[in-house]
Amino acid sequence: DVKVTQSSRYLVKRTGEKVFLECVQDMDHENMFWYRQDPGLGLRLIYFSYDVKMKEKGDIPEGYSVSREKKERFSLILESASTNQTSMYLCASSVDRGPYEQYFGPGTRLTVT
Amino acid sequence: GESVGLHLPTLSVQEGDNSIINCAYSNSASDYFIWYKQESGKGPQFIIDIRSNMDKRQGQRVTVLLNKTVKHLSLQIAATQPGDSAVYFCAETNQAGTALIFGKGTTLSVSS
Repeated sequence: DVKVTQSSRYLVKRTGEKVFLECVQDMDHENMFWYRQDPGLGLRLIYFSYDVKMKEKGDIPEGYSVSREKKERFSLILESASTNQTSMYLCASSVDRGPYEQYFGPGTRLTVT
Repeated sequence: GESVGLHLPTLSVQEGDNSIINCAYSNSASDYFIWYKQESGKGPQFIIDIRSNMDKRQGQRVTVLLNKTVKHLSLQIAATQPGDSAVYFCAETNQAGTALIFGKGTTLSVSS
């Protein structure tokens, strides 16, 4: 079974802090994605990566950056957390290049106070 | 702009009934569609997908129908069970074909 793990299930940070969300997949997938999920808005794509050291902006990249130093790990970085970044963050991976079947992690519920 | 919407935010059914969850999409060039199920406290799980060269695909107890003429996608769940209670998301490919665009989700509640 594909396993996508996220470093924390729940996280509470203060405004202005730098926040790192880590995601690891164990199936040698090429592609990894970060989404945020908010009530009534569905899942929105923040960033994705098709290869090590490669990244592409999704629909809502502002306030976020990413890092992919190793194939299995994709990190989402909030440079200076703000309250409007309080959300559920979901990581996903897929084997084929393109937006096809993605396997999701359990999510990180981030609260910024 | 691109958007994927669902006709109803909530759907309540009785155990054993068939459920139909609908989704309207806007990108007529989308070549791939997918349905996910998200249970409380978990990440979305793949249910079934369909490519634009098909109009129907069946899985175990689920069927996806694609009507490209009216840009409509539906998920049918046969003999709905309490374990089917979850939020269901449809998704389509974006204009560039590089990412998925998700709908806002339909919450399915199954009562026994």
